[in-house]
Amino acid sequence: EVQLVESGGGLVQPGGSLRLSCAASGFTFRTYPMHWVRQAPGKGLEYVAGISGYGGLTYYANSVKGRFTISGDNSKTTLYLQMGSLRAEDMAVYYCARALMGATRAFDIWGQGTTVTVSS
Amino acid sequence: QSVLTQPPSVSEAPRQRVTISCSGSSSNIGNNAVNWYQQLPGKAPKLLIYYDDLLPSGISDRFSGSKSGTSASLAISGLQSEDEADYYCASWDDSLNVVVFGGGTKLTVL
Repeated sequence: EVQLVESGGGLVQPGGSLRLSCAASGFTFRTYPMHWVRQAPGKGLEYVAGISGYGGLTYYANSVKGRFTISGDNSKTTLYLQMGSLRAEDMAVYYCARALMGATRAFDIWGQGTTVTVSS
Repeated sequence: QSVLTQPPSVSEAPRQRVTISCSGSSSNIGNNAVNWYQQLPGKAPKLLIYYDDLLPSGISDRFSGSKSGTSASLAISGLQSEDEADYYCASWDDSLNVVVFGGGTKLTVL
């Protein structure tokens, strides 16, 4: 079964750091583009970051550029999001998502989400 | 303010047909595929339509997508109560180099 399971969310103080993980199974992880999308409480979906298949390219929303880093470990078939200098506006449910091959950037598999709370 | 513009809400009676619009620009919808997602309350989003008008395996053919220029639409026919959800359009943006989402449309089945 193709599956994504996020972990690592929690409560962090403003200015703090957190690393999210997304464990992938049931498909050849290294070949697929992978992404992070977040959703603040009561708000819509917001793209956060992405990494191309084989990890050659990375993409970041302007709102997180320079603060967040996306990476993947093919040996562990796990996607990561290292988040730093966290702000109140980063508080959200963070989803990892697999993208279809090709240029559609359609996210066909999503995890269940992990919640990040930024508060003092 | 989302890059793609959707109506905040739509409503229609059961068994009827509803359309949800998504407006963008030449840097996103006008030059890239449009994808649609359904998000049921408390759940992760689910891919509904990809590459403008293609249905993923397992998605009912009551859902259909179309695109013209810098706008796209999602149509749902034979509305059912279980279709009540938030719907999002999305597309790659060549200027921002990221995926951009619409603000989402809440569908109410009366």
